[in-house]
Amino acid sequence: QKEVEQNSGPLSVPEGAIASLNCTYSDRVSQSFFWYRQYSGKSPELIMSIYSNGDKEDGRFTAQLNKASQYVSLLIRDSQPSDSATYLCAVSMEYGNKLVFGAGTILRVKS
Amino acid sequence: DGGITQSPKYLFRKEGQNVTLSCEQNLNHDAMYWYRQDPGQGLRLIYYSQIVNDFQKGDIAEGYSVSREKKESFPLTVTSAQKNPTAFYLCASSKGERGFGLMVTQYFGPGTRLLVL
Repeated sequence: QKEVEQNSGPLSVPEGAIASLNCTYSDRVSQSFFWYRQYSGKSPELIMSIYSNGDKEDGRFTAQLNKASQYVSLLIRDSQPSDSATYLCAVSMEYGNKLVFGAGTILRVKS
Repeated sequence: DGGITQSPKYLFRKEGQNVTLSCEQNLNHDAMYWYRQDPGQGLRLIYYSQIVNDFQKGDIAEGYSVSREKKESFPLTVTSAQKNPTAFYLCASSKGERGFGLMVTQYFGPGTRLLVL
């Protein structure tokens, strides 16, 4: 079983819709959770972090964390073509001790 | 501007050659990391360093070497022992290697694409 799993996609949504990206992780003691956006040929860019159960909102982005179910999700409201990218989920194992990355979900927003 | 720089942007390696990728940060971060990314795959950790003059192997360290003589710099050498070096190499840094939240948040440089001739 992979430590951090994501659906590889591609996930296609129309412009203006809500995109929902999901990630599950295996380590029950993980403390910190991150979403990175990576455009083709570029390096990952941090867009959201979340540490407590529940929702965290930042502009059009909402991160949701459920530690009991071991999943974290990212919602993108009013999706734009510029949101088309690969979204990487990263999870810290134990108390920090490095990040483990999922393989990423490709998001395509169609205008 | 604080940030992480990597050079060169593209690097070509001949068979049997060692090449060194540069990574510099001016964020005053203690921890630095090297990742490798292959097409369609996530990031795999090569080496990481929590403090100067100390570093640990990651998941795929074979064929690579690093040094950490200065807090700002963490160069990666791809040796001739690495038989499949073609990949996108990413350097990252964080305030600390252990801890919670902001301490472990990693920020990435622009990357170096290594190709084999």
